[in-house]
Amino acid sequence: GAVVSQHPSWVICKSGTSVKIECRSLDFQATTMFWYRQFPKQSLMLMATSNEGSKATYEQGVEKDKFLINHASLTLSTLTVTSAHPEDSSFYICSARTSGRRAQYFGPGTRLLVL
Amino acid sequence: GDSVTQMEGPVTLSEEAFLTINCTYTATGYPSLFWYVQYPGEGLQLLLKATKADDKGSNKGFEATYRKETTSFHLEKGSVQVSDSAVYFCALGVRDDKIIFGKGTRLHILP
Repeated sequence: GAVVSQHPSWVICKSGTSVKIECRSLDFQATTMFWYRQFPKQSLMLMATSNEGSKATYEQGVEKDKFLINHASLTLSTLTVTSAHPEDSSFYICSARTSGRRAQYFGPGTRLLVL
Repeated sequence: GDSVTQMEGPVTLSEEAFLTINCTYTATGYPSLFWYVQYPGEGLQLLLKATKADDKGSNKGFEATYRKETTSFHLEKGSVQVSDSAVYFCALGVRDDKIIFGKGTRLHILP
């Protein structure tokens, strides 16, 4: 149980285009989802926290207009990287948590390469 | 601010060797401490955790003890297997259920 999937697993796009990454909880209702990014040989850095049906809370230094997060249902959250640039190339990981429980379950990650 | 420092990898060991991956932290208050593991091509999985000082987390032969006096949470295993090859992340849980991760340590076990 507690499986989280991400789609796509990797994506290559041209600079200036937008890319959408999906995070799904497959067998539980995710009231809260977290989005992280990870640069090579670096820590996972929390980008934002989203609660179903409300606006995401972004960490300091993360541009909310650049990284659009939607958590419209209890099983799906999306991260859209708008007008992507090469410096946005990274590994994006989501996690999900259900109401009343502290444990986070992580997706396998999405590798984004912006050319 | 809150942070986690863990030993840099990669760490390469022979099968059945003893494993230690060091982890120290800086935090205000009383954080929870975690070790996560990421196997190739998979998402992070919680390996073990400890929620208060002197607690010992254990799972799959791995152990770590929450040492408040040394602000450490070192991961140990007495006899590693090839299947333990993965990336290991030390992490602490802070306010609002946020998790702060270390940089990860890649472990290679040779048969």
